[in-house]
Amino acid sequence: DAKTTQPPSMDCAEGRAANLPCNHSTISGNEYVYWYRQIHSQGPQYIIHGLKNNETNEMASLIITEDRKSSTLILPHATLRDTAVYYCIVRVPHSGGSNYKLTFGKGTLLTVNP
Amino acid sequence: GAVVSQHPSRVICKSGTSVKIECRSLDFQATTMFWYRQFPKQSLMLMATSNEGSKATYEQGVEKDKFLINHASLTLSTLTVTSAHPEDSSFYICSASKGGSTGELFFGEGSRLTVL
Repeated sequence: DAKTTQPPSMDCAEGRAANLPCNHSTISGNEYVYWYRQIHSQGPQYIIHGLKNNETNEMASLIITEDRKSSTLILPHATLRDTAVYYCIVRVPHSGGSNYKLTFGKGTLLTVNP
Repeated sequence: GAVVSQHPSRVICKSGTSVKIECRSLDFQATTMFWYRQFPKQSLMLMATSNEGSKATYEQGVEKDKFLINHASLTLSTLTVTSAHPEDSSFYICSASKGGSTGELFFGEGSRLTVL
């Protein structure tokens, strides 16, 4: 069962920042927050992950609230190629944990408009 | 990022035949791989967890005799859809963990199966 809640869809203008929210109010202390995206008819693409600190890489930034019950993925300058379904997932990172599997919810369809 | 490759990317077969899909981790070893299935306009559904050198662990409702999984090496897992039927037509995707401290998973490109 997915343990996250995301809006089903969002729109963003090209060149603007896209802020995708995710609620994970039942996250456990040892669970990480992972973000993936899936462009139509392709396999999911890893974006970023974090435990409690904010994270940034070449693709995006991840902001995790202090209580870890929600997070926001930020695409600083969205392009048309960023149109995809974005999935927020919580899981433990290593096998042996009860929630090692990557279980997908319905995600957020982000549409970047020209 | 790490590379996971699937083959074939597309396959069309007749009803009743078996189809094998390969998943390879090209630049890392993966003790665990996962197989997913995705129907149109739906999310990915986890089918099974493939462990190198041992039997796969199937999710509830997934027929282990129909979807045979073999993880013979640290870089290869295969999914065989046996006696395929039109309702098995779907997008099959594998993923593999690179390991390390935070265990992010990387996905293959997916294999689209069409059963006539």
